[in-house]
Amino acid sequence: DIQMTQSPSFLSASVGDRVTITCRAGQSISNFLHWYQQKPGKAPKLLIYAASSLQSGVPSRFSGSGSGTDFTLTISSLHPEDFATYYCQQSYSTPRHFGQGTKLEIK
Amino acid sequence: QVQLQESGPGLVKPSETLSLRCSVSGGSVSNDNYYWSWIRQPPGKGLEWIGYIYYSGFTNYNPSLKSRVSISLDTSKNQFSLKMSSVTAADTAVYYCAILRPDYSDAFDVWGQGTRVTVSS
Repeated sequence: DIQMTQSPSFLSASVGDRVTITCRAGQSISNFLHWYQQKPGKAPKLLIYAASSLQSGVPSRFSGSGSGTDFTLTISSLHPEDFATYYCQQSYSTPRHFGQGTKLEIK
Repeated sequence: QVQLQESGPGLVKPSETLSLRCSVSGGSVSNDNYYWSWIRQPPGKGLEWIGYIYYSGFTNYNPSLKSRVSISLDTSKNQFSLKMSSVTAADTAVYYCAILRPDYSDAFDVWGQGTRVTVSS
């Protein structure tokens, strides 16, 4: 299994802040890394696929980078609707593990 | 735009079999561009991939659940289904169906709203 570890698990920030969430894979996964946003009571939403490709309709303030084992999701300027939980997920091999999640809260 | 909708019992007794369906609208389960997937989320916890099925019938399951899980297609109803046997309280979760997109490096692109399943006597 390839384990996915996100940091931090909790993040407190203000509207307008730039924030970065990190995801580390237990072994190299090339760019088979995706980011999802989940709000309470809702299904996850795909934000970034293949490490850095922005899903259609997702605001450009979201960006992803990385390859191999280390990846980042950056929100350039937080909007009120961005406060949610974020998950990374690898699709390099089975099982398709998700990270444990990063809860982004309002400071 | 393809849409997914889960359905099934919200309460299942321990040791019994959980059965859920995912209805597909705006597309066909015979589409060879998609893999039809199930993912679950226990209360207050993270996401766990269960498995997926391709239009050909090819399946791939999480090894930790493989002995208890079966995913199938019903092309006549444009649905796909999940069966999980010998359930315990640890299987209590929100169950999501989702589309895996090979052209998106196997990301889960479209999700259903989720259905809550509680395992309890």
